[in-house]
Amino acid sequence: GENVEQHPSTLSVQEGDSAVIKCTYSDSASNYFPWYKQELGKGPQLIIDIRSNVGEKKDQRIAVTLNKTAKHFSLHITETQPEDSAVYFCASHNAGNMLTFGGGTRLMVKP
Amino acid sequence: DGGITQSPKYLFRKEGQNVTLSCEQNLNHDAMYWYRQDPGQGLRLIYYSQIVNDFQKGDIAEGYSVSREKKESFPLTVTSAQKNPTAFYLCASSRLAGALNEQFFGPGTRLTVL
Repeated sequence: GENVEQHPSTLSVQEGDSAVIKCTYSDSASNYFPWYKQELGKGPQLIIDIRSNVGEKKDQRIAVTLNKTAKHFSLHITETQPEDSAVYFCASHNAGNMLTFGGGTRLMVKP
Repeated sequence: DGGITQSPKYLFRKEGQNVTLSCEQNLNHDAMYWYRQDPGQGLRLIYYSQIVNDFQKGDIAEGYSVSREKKESFPLTVTSAQKNPTAFYLCASSRLAGALNEQFFGPGTRLTVL
């Protein structure tokens, strides 16, 4: 089945710096890649997604890039703020038409 | 105020006891899901339901059971057969079943088996 690896598991940045989280997937047929943000004590929330017919997608300070040949996709957060501190999960659409999630990245933005 | 509610937030049970976690949604979504979250392992799918009176096993269904008698409700029972039940459990729903439909998550229930 689909396997999604996510790195790093923890990431600490200074406020205003950029943060990058990377994921790789195994199923070349996967065509949908969402990113979820989980704040402390809450359930995950979709923040951005990308489909396989697009190489990059931006929404204000966040962007996602996709390299289908290499089977990896990344989340980029620019001008980080303390409220960006959370756990971020990548996911990939698997053959069962469900999502396979990465292990998560705990992002800490230091003021 | 639409959303997904899970109760209780924290649950403690003795080993060998069955326990049922509640999940309710008022989003009028057809599909509902249960995930288990363990540190460093992301979210793993336990069961999902595409429509009332239907449910399917996910990747880690052993030791769990569900029912979907009403569109709004998808309770999860953690049975004594689940070897390592202590975890954080998340319920989600989407308008339709399938990965391409945005999933909306509840706040989760942390189950601790003593």
